[in-house]
Amino acid sequence: DVKVTQSSRYLVKRTGEKVFLECVQDMDHENMFWYRQDPGLGLRLIYFSYDVKMKEKGDIPEGYSVSREKKERFSLILESASTNQTSMYLCASSLYPDNYGYTFGSGTRLTVV
Amino acid sequence: QQQVKQSPQSLIVQKGGISIINCAYENTAFDYFPWYQQFPGKGPALLIAIRPDVSEKKEGRFTISFNKSAKQFSLHIMDSQPGDSATYFCAAKYGAQKLVFGQGTRLTINP
Repeated sequence: DVKVTQSSRYLVKRTGEKVFLECVQDMDHENMFWYRQDPGLGLRLIYFSYDVKMKEKGDIPEGYSVSREKKERFSLILESASTNQTSMYLCASSLYPDNYGYTFGSGTRLTVV
Repeated sequence: QQQVKQSPQSLIVQKGGISIINCAYENTAFDYFPWYQQFPGKGPALLIAIRPDVSEKKEGRFTISFNKSAKQFSLHIMDSQPGDSATYFCAAKYGAQKLVFGQGTRLTINP
C-alpha cells in the first residue's frame, strides 16, 4: 500500500514563526498536494506539485510556500505563521496519469498561538 | 465555479437504515466525482467514484447516483452499520489533476 507520512501529528507554534510541514510518500508518485481541512469548509487546496521542482498554486496559497527537491518529499512552509493558519493540514499523493485516487497522510494539526 | 456544495453537514441514521448524502456542482467541466471517507485521526480514503457518463455505480453497500442534467450526485449507504460512522467528502476533478472537495458530512450510525 502507498504510504504518505507526515512528520508531525501535532504542532504548536508562535505567531510570526517560520513553520515547516514535511510529507514523504513511498510509492514514486508524481503528484503531491497540500490541503487544509477546516470544519464546515471541507478540504481546500493550498499547493500542488506534479514533478520535482515544479509547483502550482491551489485555491488558497496566500501565506504559504512549498518545496519539492526530491520526488518523494513535499514540504509546506508557513513563512510567518498567523493564528488564522491554525488548522489540520493534509498531504496527499497520486500517480500520473492515473491521478484520480489520492492517498492522504494522517494529517498535522497545527495550532498557532 | 470551482465549488461543490455538500449536504447535510451532519446526519444520524439508525443501524440498518439508508444514509444519503448529496452534492451539487456548477462547473460542467468536472469529469470525475469521487467520494472519500475519513475516520477520526486518519486522512480521507477513496471510497467510490463515478464519471459523468454513468448514472449509477455500486460497490457493495455503497452506491453513487449521478444526475448530469441537474448537476447533482449523491452517496447512498445501504444497511448502514456503526462502522460506517465517519466524515464523508464528495469531490470533483478539474484541470488535469486537482480535486475540489465538498464541505463534509459527519455521519453517525446509532446501534
